[in-house]
Amino acid sequence: DSGVTQTPKHLITATGQRVTLRCSPRSGDLSVYWYQQSLDQGLQFLIQYYNGEERAKGNILERFSAQQFPDLHSELNLSSLELGDSALYFCASSSQGTSGSTGELFFGEGSRLTVL
Amino acid sequence: GESVGLHLPTLSVQEGDNSIINCAYSNSASDYFIWYKQESGKGPQFIIDIRSNMDKRQGQRVTVLLNKTVKHLSLQIAATQPGDSAVYFCAENYYGGSQGNLIFGKGTKLSVKP
Repeated sequence: DSGVTQTPKHLITATGQRVTLRCSPRSGDLSVYWYQQSLDQGLQFLIQYYNGEERAKGNILERFSAQQFPDLHSELNLSSLELGDSALYFCASSSQGTSGSTGELFFGEGSRLTVL
Repeated sequence: GESVGLHLPTLSVQEGDNSIINCAYSNSASDYFIWYKQESGKGPQFIIDIRSNMDKRQGQRVTVLLNKTVKHLSLQIAATQPGDSAVYFCAENYYGGSQGNLIFGKGTKLSVKP
């Protein structure tokens, strides 16, 4: 158990809809990261928050947004869903947030989104 | 369990043998490399990391080798066990990049035969 909790584990919805994925980081971790894992693209970094502020952006679509709340949990909002958004969405956390390359990320078990 | 890729390279080894998983990374400016293990239905789990000022690092039953000249990374698992069966990803990060902005490889599926 990584200590990172993601809900829901599975979600099925229709094209055009909007969903919210939730992540609770490990106790004490200030950084939250969102990743998308699809069959054809592998693991793709979407966005990072550190102590409530956006810290880095990756390949995140404009239809997607995220935020980190004062209690450090994070939500990833996916709107105007398309078939191609079907994927596993992982949240990870770490204690560090500054640029540089140190430390490990602790991943949750993911939320599987299916868009029909 | 969840499938993370339909066309992953697969390495099949006998229990007790050593495994070597290879990875070619893309960015010559990358200075930090990590290996993650992903079991079916779970999120990636950190195994070992290495900085670019090193060419070898050892952990418990695992060794990572880095060859910057050819931009190649390998993970060696000693005395492979059935519990090592998983998909293994290498990831790279470049200096100045966000810690979490890791660039992941496509993964290699390790299958351990008892």
